[in-house]
Amino acid sequence: DVKVTQSSRYLVKRTGEKVFLECVQDMDHENMFWYRQDPGLGLRLIYFSYDVKMKEKGDIPEGYSVSREKKERFSLILESASTNQTSMYLCASSLSWPLNQPQHFGDGTRLSIL
Amino acid sequence: SQQGEEDPQALSIQEGENATMNCSYKTSINNLQWYRQNSGRGLVHLILIRSNEREKHSGRLRVTLDTSKKSSSLLITASRAADTASYFCATGYGKNNAGNMLTFGGGTRLMVKP
Repeated sequence: DVKVTQSSRYLVKRTGEKVFLECVQDMDHENMFWYRQDPGLGLRLIYFSYDVKMKEKGDIPEGYSVSREKKERFSLILESASTNQTSMYLCASSLSWPLNQPQHFGDGTRLSIL
Repeated sequence: SQQGEEDPQALSIQEGENATMNCSYKTSINNLQWYRQNSGRGLVHLILIRSNEREKHSGRLRVTLDTSKKSSSLLITASRAADTASYFCATGYGKNNAGNMLTFGGGTRLMVKP
C-alpha cells in the first residue's frame, strides 16, 4: 500500500512566521501535490511537482512556495503566515503515467495561524 | 473553480438503505474518481471510471458515468454506520508533465444512522 506521511497532524503558528509543511511518500511516485481544504470550497490545488526540482503553480499559489529536492519529499512553505492561511492542508502523490491513476493522500495537517 | 459539483450536499439515511450521490462536471475528462474522507482525515480513493466506461462496481459501490450529460453517480448499497463520511468526486485530466491531474467537487456529507 502507498503511504503518504505528513509531518504534523496539528500545527499552531503566529502571523508573520515562516511555516514548513513536510510530506513524504514511499512509492516512488513522480507526482506530488499540495491542496488546501476549506469548508464550502472543497479541495483547491496550491502547487504540484512532476519531478525532482520541478514544480508548477496550481489554482491558489499566492503566499506559498514549494521545494522538492528528493523524489519522495515535497515541502510546502508559507513565507510569511497570515490568518487567512488557517486551513487543512493535504498532500497527495500519484504516478504520472499511464493515465488514469488515483491520487494517494496523507492524513492532512490542520494549521492554525494566530 | 470547482469542476465537479456534488448533489446533494448532505444526505442522512438509515442503516441498510441505499445512498446515491451525484456529480456533474463541465469540461471533457479522462476519468472520474470518487474519494471518501472521514472527519478530520485525508481522502481515500474508492473507485475510478474511465471516460469510455459507463458503469463500474466495487463491492457495495456502483458508479455510473454519462459523458453526454457530463454526470456521474455513486451508489452505496446496504449502507452501514461506518459509511458515514464525506464523499468527493474528482474529474481527471492530463497535463503536459504531470499526466494525472484532478479537480475536486465540494463533496456530499453522508450520515448513516444505526
